[in-house]
Amino acid sequence: SQTIHQWPATLVQPVGSPLSLECTVEGTSNPNLYWYRQAAGRGLQLLFYSVGIGQISSEVPQNLSASRPQDRQFILSSKKLLLSDSGFYLCAWSTPGTDTQYFGPGTRLTVL
Amino acid sequence: AQSVTQLGSHVSVSEGALVLLRCNYSSSVPPYLFWYVQYPNQGLQLLLKYTTGATLVKGINGFEAEFKKSETSFHLTKPSAHMSDAAEYFCAVSDRAGGFKTIFGAGTRLFVKA
Repeated sequence: SQTIHQWPATLVQPVGSPLSLECTVEGTSNPNLYWYRQAAGRGLQLLFYSVGIGQISSEVPQNLSASRPQDRQFILSSKKLLLSDSGFYLCAWSTPGTDTQYFGPGTRLTVL
Repeated sequence: AQSVTQLGSHVSVSEGALVLLRCNYSSSVPPYLFWYVQYPNQGLQLLLKYTTGATLVKGINGFEAEFKKSETSFHLTKPSAHMSDAAEYFCAVSDRAGGFKTIFGAGTRLFVKA
């Protein structure tokens, strides 16, 4: 069966510090991968999606970036965090050509 | 372009009462429609989805939703609320034409009173 992992589960970082969040998927090959942000009291905002290694599409301009160094690994990064980057970050995957997304447990990021 | 509107950011019901969470969508192509549930500090889980065929879709935990094309709606219902149903619910739409990017609504938080 397929599983999706995210770490860390929680993170507290100072403004201006770098960020690296990791997402890995097991039990499937060549998945579509997604990063979402969920701010307090708001819905999900799609940040990035990827249909293959090294292929990243950005949905919202911001100080975040994403990379996919391996087929089942998706990384969300920032060089300098802003207060507005605080939120709940969710990684998801789907099988290409299908419609359902499967979500990881999320990372709660607090920027102080 | 696609969009989703969930009417009511918070809904409160008594245990045993009907649950009705409203969702309207906009799509220029035939949509795929979804309801996801999120428990506190967890990821989203798929409750049910509509792709083609029968417009009344049954999901997990006794929930169901009906696709009404004429009303561009996909409301989520459950006949009798349980305390364990308290969570945030997201309606979502995706594009059949390819790409399968999913657009999520802002969410409705369901409170269940004893």
